[in-house]
Amino acid sequence: GEDVEQSLFLSVREGDSSVINCTYTDSSSTYLYWYKQEPGAGLQLLTYIFSNMDMKQDQRLTVLLNKKDKHLSLRIADTQTGDSAIYFCAEPPPQTGANNLFFGTGTRLTVIP
Amino acid sequence: GAVVSQHPSRVICKSGTSVKIECRSLDFQATTMFWYRQFPKQSLMLMATSNEGSKATYEQGVEKDKFLINHASLTLSTLTVTSAHPEDSSFYICSARDPRVYEKLFFGSGTQLSVL
Repeated sequence: GEDVEQSLFLSVREGDSSVINCTYTDSSSTYLYWYKQEPGAGLQLLTYIFSNMDMKQDQRLTVLLNKKDKHLSLRIADTQTGDSAIYFCAEPPPQTGANNLFFGTGTRLTVIP
Repeated sequence: GAVVSQHPSRVICKSGTSVKIECRSLDFQATTMFWYRQFPKQSLMLMATSNEGSKATYEQGVEKDKFLINHASLTLSTLTVTSAHPEDSSFYICSARDPRVYEKLFFGSGTQLSVL
């Protein structure tokens, strides 16, 4: 997990766009993930992207993948107060047959009304 | 979508007691489940992989006699924290992969363990 890096904090005003960035380690990862964690709760799978894609859009969420730089980003359009949470990017470990995930440090998003 | 149920959500116990946490896949069979631990304001760390019908695989540094894992059926894995001590206080989360949508890993709601 320590090799999947994210900035720790992000604050945005309600209605603005949020961009959460992540750098990962394994260029052979087939899928890359974004999870959301609200206080005291488990992880909710927000979206994921297949490694042969550059972009994936799902309603207010846009995922961008730059494989060359091993950079993944999550853009949340029209950010709402309910989007305040910790966001984790995740990648499968570089092990054949392993199907768990390594998580980034998490980015705490605070939405200011 | 697939649902992973975890119980209890919160438990407070005295030092020296054992605590069992259950993780169930509600609408799919999971031959493998994963147990993670999360310290406050930190990321998730994989503790062990629970394998149905066989021994769990523990990550380096995780005591298998301390954290007993049982995966007796395709829909239930349990984590027992034996002889709990205050340093075991943490947030424990289980997860499982739905074989029908294999690329997705679903998580339970987590268990906050506080050992007094």
